[in-house]
Amino acid sequence: SQTIHQWPATLVQPVGSPLSLECTVEGTSNPNLYWYRQAAGRGLQLLFYSVGIGQISSEVPQNLSASRPQDRQFILSSKKLLLSDSGFYLCAWTGQGGGSNEKLFFGSGTQLSVL
Amino acid sequence: SQQGEEDPQALSIQEGENATMNCSYKTSINNLQWYRQNSGRGLVHLILIRSNEREKHSGRLRVTLDTSKKSSSLLITASRAADTASYFCATDYGGYQKVTFGTGTKLQVIP
Repeated sequence: SQTIHQWPATLVQPVGSPLSLECTVEGTSNPNLYWYRQAAGRGLQLLFYSVGIGQISSEVPQNLSASRPQDRQFILSSKKLLLSDSGFYLCAWTGQGGGSNEKLFFGSGTQLSVL
Repeated sequence: SQQGEEDPQALSIQEGENATMNCSYKTSINNLQWYRQNSGRGLVHLILIRSNEREKHSGRLRVTLDTSKKSSSLLITASRAADTASYFCATDYGGYQKVTFGTGTKLQVIP
């Protein structure tokens, strides 16, 4: 069966420090991968999505970047965190070519607090 | 900006009552999905409805889609305290690979 791992669950970082959040999927090949951010009590904002290795689509100009070094690995990074980067970060996947045609499976999320 | 917007933003009902939440979106879509999120957790898929479908059922859930009005509704019948959660609609936007979510409806079911 397919599983998605996202870590860490909680992270507290100072302003100006770097960030690396990792998401891996098991049990499937060529998934579509997504990074979302959710501010407290708000909806989800699509940050990046990827349909294949090295293929990254960025949705919102921001202080973040994403990479997909392996088929089932999706990394969210920042060189210097801002206070506004705080939020709940969620990774998700769908089957190959899925997108909105298939349901998304979500990780358990990372609560990032930038102080 | 958000593609979808749910209404109401918050809803409080008694256990056993029905809960209805609505989603409006801006552009033509291929599919629309509904998800549920318990506080501090990831989202869980509830139901998918395709643009050529008008209604779909799954257990106590009923989803309708009106593409002419660019809107969808989610009905939860005979609600339970365990249904307390936030509910989001999700649509494709600018291509089916790009899945965007609405602002969500926070549902509280009072035992």
